[in-house]
Amino acid sequence: KNEVEQSPQNLTAQEGEFITINCSYSVGISALHWLQQHPGGGIVSLFMLSSGKKKHGRLIATINIQEKHSSLHITASHPRDSAVYICAVRRSGSRLTFGEGTQLTVNP
Amino acid sequence: DTAVSQTPKYLVTQMGNDKSIKCEQNLGHDTMYWYKQDSKKFLKIMFSYNNKELIINETVPNRFSPKSPDKAHLNLHINSLELGDSAVYFCASSPGNTDTQYFGPGTRLTVL
Repeated sequence: KNEVEQSPQNLTAQEGEFITINCSYSVGISALHWLQQHPGGGIVSLFMLSSGKKKHGRLIATINIQEKHSSLHITASHPRDSAVYICAVRRSGSRLTFGEGTQLTVNP
Repeated sequence: DTAVSQTPKYLVTQMGNDKSIKCEQNLGHDTMYWYKQDSKKFLKIMFSYNNKELIINETVPNRFSPKSPDKAHLNLHINSLELGDSAVYFCASSPGNTDTQYFGPGTRLTVL
């Protein structure tokens, strides 16, 4: 079983919908990252957080350290949000352990 | 003004060959990484260097050897390529070893 589990694996939404992607992990961590992989393959770091909540534009990331759970929310989703969203945790040092990703498709 | 660049973008080669992938970052970062993304899109750390010093060396075959001539470059050399080495290889860098990582565009390696 992977140390980092994401749900759902695939998500299809209509433009404008509120989207939530979940990430659960089974180990103690020092930080959690959310990444976005575009259809063309490029990877962009969206958030790094170790507690609470962060917001950037229409994206919101939250983490609950006690419950070992994080969520990524997208408000007013748009077709350009279609991508794979990847959760990764850092236990110590620089090593990241990745979830398998959530494929998001937003239809117009 | 690309931040993290990799060459080549695509690499198609025969089994048994030796090949190298190059990575350069112009961000002034101290830490660089190599990741492998398999056909199921699962990312896995291979190596990490901090100021030219190897700090992470995951369980990868000895055929893979990273080389960091200076802290702006981290190259990956692969000997005796096998079919299972086919994947996308991503280079990344970060200011320190616990910071946000910036990824290169990836190198798609296909071994025939």
